[in-house]
Amino acid sequence: GAVVSQHPSWVICKSGTSVKIECRSLDFQATTMFWYRQFPKQSLMLMATSNEGSKATYEQGVEKDKFLINHASLTLSTLTVTSAHPEDSSFYICSAQPTGVIGEKLFFGSGTQLSVL
Amino acid sequence: GENVEQHPSTLSVQEGDSAVIKCTYSDSASNYFPWYKQELGKRPQLIIDIRSNVGEKKDQRIAVTLNKTAKHFSLHITETQPEDSAVYFCAASIPGTYKYIFGTGTRLKVLA
Repeated sequence: GAVVSQHPSWVICKSGTSVKIECRSLDFQATTMFWYRQFPKQSLMLMATSNEGSKATYEQGVEKDKFLINHASLTLSTLTVTSAHPEDSSFYICSAQPTGVIGEKLFFGSGTQLSVL
Repeated sequence: GENVEQHPSTLSVQEGDSAVIKCTYSDSASNYFPWYKQELGKRPQLIIDIRSNVGEKKDQRIAVTLNKTAKHFSLHITETQPEDSAVYFCAASIPGTYKYIFGTGTRLKVLA
């Protein structure tokens, strides 16, 4: 199956710093990628849709200036958590859908555990 | 907008027994329903999916049924094994988009 690589797998940072998370589709092109946040024992909460070559679209309640998304190529999307604070600590997961028909399978990255001290 | 409800939130079964997880969705135009298995700290893995033009799909010990009229779909795991223990999420596609809405998850524990 298709592989989505996500890095780093975990990161610890000081409050006020910025953290960049990368999501790569390794063997397929993805015009659209998604970023989720998952709290312990909870479901996947969609944060934003990353669109190659255009601005990301954010879900209601998600601060676009806080969570910067860049989708510069058909295989790479990045999420930057700016001026991170302890409440930003969470498990962040990306997913990618092979370019093509709407409704195709989503493939997930391995996730990034962010801990902000 | 689309809303997906999932039940139960936790489920314990004895090894060898069957497990059933149910989801309901609100948008009748949704046409794709995947199920994901997520082990602790790992990525969700697609285990089975079904499209709206099919009523049932089976893959070895796993099956999914879809009732479009009632807008609900279910995951059935037979002959459960300890390695089936994980959190299972259902999802429904949002018509006209690439997005899915996920259910709240079911924590399945298979007791040896």
